[in-house]
Amino acid sequence: QLQLQESGPGLVKPSETLSLTCTVSGDSISSSNYYWGWVRQPPGKGLEWIGSIYYTGSTYYNASLKSRVTISIDTSKNQFSLKLSSVTAADTAVYYCARPTRDCSSAICKGGWFDPWGQGTRVTVSS
Amino acid sequence: DIVMTQSPDSLAVSLGERATINCKSSQNVLYSSNNKKYLAWYQQKPGQPPKLLIYWASTRESGVPDRFSGSGSGTYFTLTISSVQAEDVAVYYCQQYYNTPITFGQGTRLEIK
Repeated sequence: QLQLQESGPGLVKPSETLSLTCTVSGDSISSSNYYWGWVRQPPGKGLEWIGSIYYTGSTYYNASLKSRVTISIDTSKNQFSLKLSSVTAADTAVYYCARPTRDCSSAICKGGWFDPWGQGTRVTVSS
Repeated sequence: DIVMTQSPDSLAVSLGERATINCKSSQNVLYSSNNKKYLAWYQQKPGQPPKLLIYWASTRESGVPDRFSGSGSGTYFTLTISSVQAEDVAVYYCQQYYNTPITFGQGTRLEIK
């Protein structure tokens, strides 16, 4: 059974870099059928897609965060990671890693629905 | 960006009654060449991650009770719970995956009346 688990600091100071890792178990992260992604949820609010990565290292970011986001993948460890720089209080959220399906039935391959999700890790930005 | 707007923001339904949640996309999410609607639905209970219910607008995920169903056109979609159970209390989200950035609706909170 595929499982995803986020890990990383729960408290980050303003202007610093938030770093999280998602460890995948139960399947290879090198599958050609899926991407690997990050979604966040501020307290009491909705869901925001941060970005996704393919096992080849190709990345797709939300333009609203693109200048501050880096997603990387380590296939040898079956992990992928998120770095978000210059954080502010607005970046306080529960951060989820999840697996978007990869659909190539249209002219280009697209990321699809997210399943499964990690349990999420709460990150607070505060001095 | 494709904006997803859900309605209502919250609803209260009696046990055993039908619940209907709507989701409107600012752009068409039906890809004409494969006739697929790039729309998913999730259920999120307090303290838990979202759980996939429906993809391709109407395909139920394995293990999801058949009281959950999805329907819709290229811009207007509906999640229906045919007979609401106590365990269905949650926030429901729609999501489009037609274009990046992938975007979600703001959520609809379902409560028991």
